[in-house]
Parts: sequence; structure tokens; C-alpha cells
Amino acid sequence: DIQMTQSPSTLSASVGDRVTITCRASQSISSWLAWYQQRPGKPPKLLIYKASSLESGVPSRFTGSGSGTEFALTISSLQPDDSATYYCQQYNTYGTFGQGTKVEIK
Amino acid sequence: QLQLQESGPGLVKPSETLSLTCTVSGGSISNSSYYWGWIRQPPGKGLEWIGSINHFGSIYHSPSLRSRVTTSVDTSKNQFSLKLSSVTASDTAMYYCASHKTSYYFDYWGQGALVTVSS
Repeated sequence: DIQMTQSPSTLSASVGDRVTITCRASQSISSWLAWYQQRPGKPPKLLIYKASSLESGVPSRFTGSGSGTEFALTISSLQPDDSATYYCQQYNTYGTFGQGTKVEIK
Repeated sequence: QLQLQESGPGLVKPSETLSLTCTVSGGSISNSSYYWGWIRQPPGKGLEWIGSINHFGSIYHSPSLRSRVTTSVDTSKNQFSLKLSSVTASDTAMYYCASHKTSYYFDYWGQGALVTVSS
């Protein structure tokens, strides 16, 4: 099984800050990686697919990067609405999610 | 735009079978581009893919759950279903249905159905 490890587990930042979440795969997954945002009590929302492709309707402040085993999700200017838990998911072999990164606004 | 809605019992007894149905609207479940998946999330924890199916009957289940999972599609009702047998308290979770294409990233999600396993 492919394991996905996210860091940090929790992140606290101020509005306007640049924030980066990293995701590491236990083996190469090429660019077969997605990122989701989940607000409390809601289902996950697709943000990024194929490591860096922005889903339609998602603000351009969200950027995905990486390939192979190392990936990152960057929020260029953190907004209050971005307070949520973010998950990466590999889909090189079915689908495995990371454990999540909770982003809090200071 | 696709809309998905889970339905089923919110309480299941240990050792029994959990059964959930997902109703798809805004599109046909027979769309050859789509697969239909189940993902669960225990309270306060992360996401776990359970399995996916398409209307051709191609089925893919998580290796860790494969022995207990059954998925099916009912094209006449535009629905797909999940059965998880021999449940224990560790199967207590929010169960989501979702859609994906050949690549297993999930683009449309239901709101989720909370299933508690308890006697």
C-alpha cells in the first residue's frame, strides 16, 4: 500500500500569510495527487488534481506543486475562509489519503 | 452538475451488515466516464477510500476492506449501494459517496451519512 504523510498536522497563521502544507508518498506516484479542503461538518472539496491542476472555481491563491514523492499545497495569501482541514490523496494506485493538516487563523 | 445523496440506517448493531444507498441526480449513473465511490471518515479522523464501481460492473475495493464490502449499481434508479458486513464499533464513521473518473480523484461528493455501530 502507498502511504501518504502530511506535515504539519496543525498550522496557525495570520490573514495574508503565505502557507505551505507538504505531503510525502511512500513511493513514487508521478503526478497522481489531489488536494482537498474540508470545513467542519462538510464533505471534502476538490482543490487540485494531477498535483498542480486547479479545479474549476477554486481561487487562484491555491497552488499545488511537486512530483514523484514530494508535494506541496501553497495558499499565497491566507483568507479567513481558508480555515479548514486539508487532505492530500494519491491516486496512482486506487486512492489513499494523508492524515490531514488543520489550518487555523490566528 | 452532479449531486449525490446518501441514505440508510444511522444505527447498526455489531456483527450485522451496514447498508447505504447513494442517489445521483444531475446526470446519469450510466455515464461511461464516471466511477462511483464510497469513502468513510471516523469521527475526528481522516478519510479512507472503501471502494468504487462503474455501471459496467467494474469493481475496485480497498484491500483492507475487500472481504467485507459489496458494491452495486442500479441504473433504473440512478443509484449505487454499499454493503459492509460483520461491522464493529471501528466501522462507526461518516460515510460519503462520491464520483470520479478513470483517475481516482473525487470531484463530486454527497453530504455524508453518519453510521454508528452499537448495540
